[in-house]
Amino acid sequence: ETGVTQSPTHLIKTRGQQVTLRCSSQSGHNTVSWYQQALGQGPQFIFQYYREEENGRGNFPPRFSGLQFPNYSSELNVNALELDDSALYLCASSTGTSVNNEQFFGPGTRLTVL
Amino acid sequence: KQEVTQIPAALSVPEGENLVLNCSFTDSAIYNLQWFRQDPGKGLTSLLLIQSSQREQTSGRLNASLDKSSGRSTLYIAASQPGDSATYLCAVKNTGFQKLVFGTGTRLLVSP
Repeated sequence: ETGVTQSPTHLIKTRGQQVTLRCSSQSGHNTVSWYQQALGQGPQFIFQYYREEENGRGNFPPRFSGLQFPNYSSELNVNALELDDSALYLCASSTGTSVNNEQFFGPGTRLTVL
Repeated sequence: KQEVTQIPAALSVPEGENLVLNCSFTDSAIYNLQWFRQDPGKGLTSLLLIQSSQREQTSGRLNASLDKSSGRSTLYIAASQPGDSATYLCAVKNTGFQKLVFGTGTRLLVSP
């Protein structure tokens, strides 16, 4: 069974640029959630995708957007990057949207905005 | 708004000690609580998941308890080892989708 994978591992961008992060969910999982973890903080929920639709969102501006593909992989896009967007971005997958389902996390993408 | 607090923020113990990490949450209407381990710069590894109807879960040297009414959970680590050194995060779910609300973690260092 393949776990959650994310790419790239590290990324450096400059303020104002756009970035795309990728996530492949664990085999058999159809729900993907994205989190932002600033240094020294706990992860903050960005949004969740189920069956290619966003069906839950945290307190993040519209320049944070996403996609989910028919194979349940997902992308996180961030436009007009700001210095505060520097963080570890984590993707998590689960089977369905039931609140009782456990989420499994990937290794994360470290984004640095200069 | 759900808020999760973890105490202590950091903990240093000698190898072999039993220890307790604390997690508290402000809204007791949760579906479940999950404990994670995070190594520096890495992703999260799920340790234990406790459903709201459960009081505790055990896995090896780890035992997590949940007192939903008081908004508290503890993670007990028996016979700590240097390999247990990591940041431990607790997270609660209290919405109808997969959003987890995390604490800021307890950074644990176990010395040989």
